[in-house]
This record gives sequence, structure tokens and C-alpha cells, in this order.
Amino acid sequence: NAGVMQNPRHLVRRRGQEARLRCSPMKGHSHVYWYRQLPEEGLKFMVYLQKENIIDESGMPKERFSAEFPKEGPSILRIQQVVRGDSAAYFCASSPQVNGEAFFGQGTRLTVV
Amino acid sequence: GENVEQHPSTLSVQEGDSAVIKCTYSDSASNYFPWYKQELGKGPQLIIDIRSNVGEKKDQRIAVTLNKTAKHFSLHITETQPEDSAVYFCAAGITGGGNKLTFGTGTQLKVEL
Repeated sequence: NAGVMQNPRHLVRRRGQEARLRCSPMKGHSHVYWYRQLPEEGLKFMVYLQKENIIDESGMPKERFSAEFPKEGPSILRIQQVVRGDSAAYFCASSPQVNGEAFFGQGTRLTVV
Repeated sequence: GENVEQHPSTLSVQEGDSAVIKCTYSDSASNYFPWYKQELGKGPQLIIDIRSNVGEKKDQRIAVTLNKTAKHFSLHITETQPEDSAVYFCAAGITGGGNKLTFGTGTQLKVEL
């Protein structure tokens, strides 16, 4: 059973471009969470999704950021018109049920130049 | 919202000694407290967790204690080994709220030979 798969592992974007981060949860997991980690800081919750539904997006910036978890395929975190402050590690986690243990992926390290 | 503070930010111990990391939280509704280990370039890995209906939990060399009245919880690692060197994060959440966790800022543990 493969773990949570995130790709790409590293992503470099110029200011103003779009970044798409992908997360395939563990098999059988229908709950996905996205977290952002700035250098030397802890992880900050961004959004919690179930298949085709956004359950809690209280940690998402109001503009430029969006997330989806379609019926088929991976969850996508999309950042439009990236700025240097978006540079961070973005982690995805999945769990089989709402209160189940959350398993984290290896993260995508976004660098905006 | 929840606020989690973690101390110390760095901790250096000799191999075989014990290491203790402490966290405090602010939201009395929090009832789930996991600890994660993060190695360089990797995602966080759950090492132990505790729920508010117990005061202590142990798993081999790792133990966690919880004091709900004082709103603090601690991680204890005994007989430390070089492979324990990593960044450790505490977190707090509410069961029934998914895995929306609030993380501490991390402790860099270094186990020296």
C-alpha cells in the first residue's frame, strides 16, 4: 500500500505564474488535508477536503489559492499568480475517516523566483 | 482559535540520555494531541498520540503525558539514539473536526555520540 504521493517534489515558478500541486491519498482514504510549512516554522492548516467537497477552508488565503478533490484523480492545490511569499513546503495528508490517523506525504517544495 | 507553543526550539542530548519536549495549548476544546517526527526533506511522521481521556501513553522508548487542567502535554524519549535526531512537532486538534491540527513550531533534537 503506497503512502501519500505528492508531486512534484520540487517546483520552481516565476512570479505571476501558476503553481499546481498534486496529492494522491493512500488507497481507501477519502479525507485529504493540505498544510503549508514556512522555513523554520510549524505546519499551518490550509484546507480539508473529502471527495468532491471542501469541508473546511478556514486556513486558505482568500485570493489566488484554491483546492479540489475530484471524484477521480488526485487532489490539486492551485496557486495563481504566485509571489515570493508563497515559497514554502506544501504537505498533503490523508486519513481513512474523519478522526483517523493522518498520514503525510513527502511534500512539494515551491520556490518562487 | 487554537494556539500551540512548543519548547525548547533546540535540544541536544548525549546518546542514552532522555529528551523531554513540552507543549502548551490554549483551546480547552482540544482533545487530540499527536506528535510528529520530521526528518530532513521528508514529511511528518506520526510517532505517538494521546487523547484527552487518558493522562499518559507509552510506546517502547516514547511516552506522552497530558495535563488537561494546565493545558500542557509532553513528549519523553528515553535511551536516545542517533537516529532519534530530527525535528519533532506537537499538535492539537478536536476529534470530530477532522484532522485540522494546530502545530507547534518544532524542536530540533540532536543526539550526540
